[in-house]
Amino acid sequence: NAGVTQTPKFRVLKTGQSMTLLCAQDMNHEYMYWYRQDPGMGLRLIHYSVGEGTTAKGEVPDGYNVSRLKKQNFLLGLESAAPSQTSVYFCASSSPGQGYEQYFGPGTRLTVT
Amino acid sequence: EDQVTQSPEALRLQEGESSSLNCSYTVSGLRGLFWYRQDPGKGPEFLFTLYSAGEEKEKERLKATLTKKESFLHITAPKPEDSATYLCAVSGGTSYGKLTFGQGTILTVHP
Repeated sequence: NAGVTQTPKFRVLKTGQSMTLLCAQDMNHEYMYWYRQDPGMGLRLIHYSVGEGTTAKGEVPDGYNVSRLKKQNFLLGLESAAPSQTSVYFCASSSPGQGYEQYFGPGTRLTVT
Repeated sequence: EDQVTQSPEALRLQEGESSSLNCSYTVSGLRGLFWYRQDPGKGPEFLFTLYSAGEEKEKERLKATLTKKESFLHITAPKPEDSATYLCAVSGGTSYGKLTFGQGTILTVHP
C-alpha cells in the first residue's frame, strides 16, 4: 500500500497563477483533509471532506477550493495564488471506524513569488 | 474552541538522558489525543492515540500517558535517531475527526 500520496512535491508559482494539488489514498478512508504548515503557526486545517462529493471549510479556507469527486482523491485548488500562500501543504486521511487517527502524505512545498 | 499547548518548544538531550514532553489541552468532549513524529521535510507520522484519562501506550523508547488536562510523552534512554519534532493533537465533540494541533516540540538527541 502506498498510503497517502501527493503531487507535485515542489512547485513555484507567480502571483495570480492557478494550480491544483492532488492527494490520493489507497486505504479506503472516508475522511480526507488538507492542511498547511507554516513556521510558528503549526498545522492548520484548510478544508476537509467526510465523503465522496462532500466538502467543508476548516480554519483557514480563504483563497482555496477543494473537490472530492472520487473517494480516494481530494484536490486542493488555488485560483489566484498570493505570496501569503507560500507554505508546505499536507493531505491526510482517516476513518471513523479506525480511531480517527489521520495518516499524512509527504507534503507539497509551494512558493509563490 | 479546542486548544493545544506543547512545552518545551525545543529540548536538547544527551544520548541516554531520559525526559518528558508535555501537551496541555482543552477540548469539548475528548474523542482522542494523538501524538505524531515529524522528520524534516516529511509528513507527520502517527505514533499513538489515547482515548481516556489514565490510559498509557508504549512503543520502543516512547511512552504516552493521558490525564484530563494533559498528556506526556516520556522518552527513555533516547538515541540520536529519536531526534524529530513531536506533535500533539486533539479531536473533540462532533468534529468528524478534525484535529487541533499544538506547535510541536523539537527534540534533538546528541550522541
